[in-house]
Amino acid sequence: QQKVQQSPESLIVPEGAMTSLNCTFSDSASQYFAWYRQHSGKAPKALMSIFSNGEKEEGRFTIHLNKASLHFSLHIRDSQPSDSALYLCAVKDTGNYKYVFGAGTRLKVIA
Amino acid sequence: EAAVTQSPRSKVAVTGGKVTLSCHQTNNHDYMYWYRQDTGHGLRLIHYSYVADSTEKGDIPDGYKASRPSQENFSLILELASLSQTAVYFCASSDRGPSAETLYFGSGTRLTVL
Repeated sequence: QQKVQQSPESLIVPEGAMTSLNCTFSDSASQYFAWYRQHSGKAPKALMSIFSNGEKEEGRFTIHLNKASLHFSLHIRDSQPSDSALYLCAVKDTGNYKYVFGAGTRLKVIA
Repeated sequence: EAAVTQSPRSKVAVTGGKVTLSCHQTNNHDYMYWYRQDTGHGLRLIHYSYVADSTEKGDIPDGYKASRPSQENFSLILELASLSQTAVYFCASSDRGPSAETLYFGSGTRLTVL
């Protein structure tokens, strides 16, 4: 069964800093890797996703995937107080539509 | 933007009572999911469905039943609610196909079992 783990559990960074969040998974045949962001009291919302090894950048956000290392990450450049939220990584199992989530990293960006 | 609507937004139930949580999507998506969220556990999959009149067990199905009477509607049923089922429940939908992987979530139902 797919295992997905996130680190760190929580993080406090100053405004303007680079933030790095990590996610490890157990099934190297997984196909879909994504980050979801959940502001307090709200629904999770897809932030970025990647399907193959490498990097993908969208604005201040970069996702990096290394399947051989069973690891992907999210990097937030110039972190803003509005980035404060719970970040959830998700991996989709091969051959079905079952998404497995990590426990989350709670990020706080202080002004 | 895909739309997933859950009802009720919050509910208080008594131990041993029956609870039904409802989800409706207007996105014409084939796949629908029920997740529960507890502090420290992220989102855990309870049941999911890829076609009407059929449901599949997720990772934590015990104590829950699901019903998919149509493509648009997906319900989660707690026949005998227990204290341990106090949580926030999220419904989600996704489309079919290798380039349509994004999950779209409803606003959640906060369930408190007393």
